[in-house]
Amino acid sequence: QVRLVQSGAEVAKPGASVKVSCKLSGDTLNTLSIHWVRQSPGKGPQWMGGFAREQGKTLYGQSFQGRLKMTEDPSAETAYMVLSSLTSQDTAIYYCVTEASDCNPGPCFYYLDVWGQGTAVTVSS
Amino acid sequence: SYELTQPPSVSVSPGQTASIPCSGDNLGNKYTCWYQQRPGQSPVLVMYRDSTRPSGIPERFSGSNSGNTAHLTISGAQAMDEGDYYCQAWDHTTASVVFGGGTKLTVL
Repeated sequence: QVRLVQSGAEVAKPGASVKVSCKLSGDTLNTLSIHWVRQSPGKGPQWMGGFAREQGKTLYGQSFQGRLKMTEDPSAETAYMVLSSLTSQDTAIYYCVTEASDCNPGPCFYYLDVWGQGTAVTVSS
Repeated sequence: SYELTQPPSVSVSPGQTASIPCSGDNLGNKYTCWYQQRPGQSPVLVMYRDSTRPSGIPERFSGSNSGNTAHLTISGAQAMDEGDYYCQAWDHTTASVVFGGGTKLTVL
């Protein structure tokens, strides 16, 4: 059973950066890719970016180009997300999500599957 | 950018059928996914590739997609089905994942 466990809540000042970790169990980062999605208070999910296996590269949401960094440590089965130049608009719950695939019938269809428990990030001076 | 539109709320009586629409330009040419989010919890995938249920999702959940609208249908709705439901699709033009604004399902 795939499971994602994220790091704890963070408080950051405007202009600073925040780093969130996401540990995978039940599978390996060699076969799954990770995406990041955030949800502002009272709003729907907003995709931030991730490694898209269909395209074979890391993709970024338009709002996050240039200030989002996503990395992985396969030896620790852990993914990381760093969001920089924070403003109050970045106050949200941040989720890591696995990308699964369904290749029957072909061609393969890739979709967001298992979500972490979320990490609350508050940006406040 | 591509947009997915959902009604803010849908109500259904226990045991009746609820249908949640999701509209987008030529959405029928894309595959959609649906997520359920109960208060204070993370979203859970309840449908992918328009009409495929993940393991563990009850058979009362079904999906369809044609023209400009996809639907998530819950037959014999139960109190435990209450929550927010989000549709999602890939926009291959901008290479991005798009979510709908969400529909709050109330079973009463």
